[in-house]
Amino acid sequence: AQTVTQSQPEMSVQEAETVTLSCTYDTSENNYYLFWYKQPPSRQMILVIRQEAYKQQNATENRFSVNFQKAAKSFSLKISDSQLGDTAMYFCAFAVSGNTPLVFGKGTRLSVIA
Amino acid sequence: KAGVTQTPRYLIKTRGQQVTLSCSPISGHRSVSWYQQTPGQGLQFLFEYFSETQRNKGNFPGRFSGRQFSNSRSEMNVSTLELGDSALYLCASSYLPGQGSTGELFFGEGSRLTVL
Repeated sequence: AQTVTQSQPEMSVQEAETVTLSCTYDTSENNYYLFWYKQPPSRQMILVIRQEAYKQQNATENRFSVNFQKAAKSFSLKISDSQLGDTAMYFCAFAVSGNTPLVFGKGTRLSVIA
Repeated sequence: KAGVTQTPRYLIKTRGQQVTLSCSPISGHRSVSWYQQTPGQGLQFLFEYFSETQRNKGNFPGRFSGRQFSNSRSEMNVSTLELGDSALYLCASSYLPGQGSTGELFFGEGSRLTVL
């Protein structure tokens, strides 16, 4: 079974600074997908970034980028130029291609401080 | 285009009661998945429905059940409620089943259930 571990329950960062959220996972699969989802206080989960395991290049979406280390089974999220609107729960998630559901970590609560 | 709509947003029940939660997917989406979110366990997959058929089921007791109607709307039911069922129940829709891997999964704002 796949597992996803987020070792930082809570983090804080000053506005405009950079923060990195950690995620490790365990799987015996070779082809899979990794995600970071954001859940703001409104509770609606929003996809932040997606990484395909077969791609060596790290995914980037504006201020959000990942550091994907396949051998180490590590998938961290870096948020640059943090904004107050980035305050949210962030969930790391994993999926094997095909008809398998997402497996989520327990989340990291990020607070951006003015 | 309206997003995923979940009702009710909040509800309070007592132990032993049952509850039904509703999810209306994005127009045109035929797959609906349900997740339970608690502080201790994070998000855990409950089940997925596509074209009125359950395609996948998570590791939850039989008290948790669901169904999907011909218009793709879905309901989940929890019978004989326990204190541990207090959670945020999230629904997600997609055009096709198993689209968690594509990222084409859209979530609602959830139904917050409190069991007293």
